[in-house]
Amino acid sequence: EAGVAQSPRYKIIEKRQSVAFWCNPISGHATLYWYQQILGQGPKLLIQFQNNGVVDDSQLPKDRFSAERLKGVDSTLKIQPAKLEDSAVYLCASSLGTSGYEQYFGPGTRLTVT
Amino acid sequence: AQSVTQPDIHITVSEGASLELRCNYSYGATPYLFWYVQSPGQGLQLLLKYFSGDTLVQGIKGFEAEFKRSQSSFNLRKPSVHWSDAAEYFCAVVRSNDYKLSFGAGTTVTVRA
Repeated sequence: EAGVAQSPRYKIIEKRQSVAFWCNPISGHATLYWYQQILGQGPKLLIQFQNNGVVDDSQLPKDRFSAERLKGVDSTLKIQPAKLEDSAVYLCASSLGTSGYEQYFGPGTRLTVT
Repeated sequence: AQSVTQPDIHITVSEGASLELRCNYSYGATPYLFWYVQSPGQGLQLLLKYFSGDTLVQGIKGFEAEFKRSQSSFNLRKPSVHWSDAAEYFCAVVRSNDYKLSFGAGTTVTVRA
């Protein structure tokens, strides 16, 4: 069974530029999560989708971050414009249900904003 | 609100020695607890989980964890570490009010030869 796929793995941009990350969850997993992991901290949930609907985006900085999961499968997270403090690893995870258990994580995208 | 504390930021252990990583939680009801491992450049991998029942939980890669309600702890142990166990380890709890996974800050494990 293929795992959660993410691309790109690494990205370096200058502040005020835009960037997009892509995630393809495990086949059949209805729930998809995006996390932000700042160096030295645990992952923090940004947004949770169930199928193509948003379940929770309370921690998403909506003035600059956006995410979509149009067909209920893969998802894109965008930052526009980026700030220095957005430098982090962005992790995508998926699960069969919505209870938060048994989440499977992708390898992450390491973003550096200069 | 449920939260997780990992008191040790960094632990160094010799190969073949035992390892114990501490995790303390605060909760309002029965906690659902997890340990994840993150190797350099990799995503998080679930080592083990506790929902209920036997308080000693066995996981993958030879790890185990013990749930102690009286101490609000869920410490991770391994009797003999291998160099490949060098990684960052995260304790996490599913919050009972919204079923969200909440992580501790992590403990980095270095294994010396």
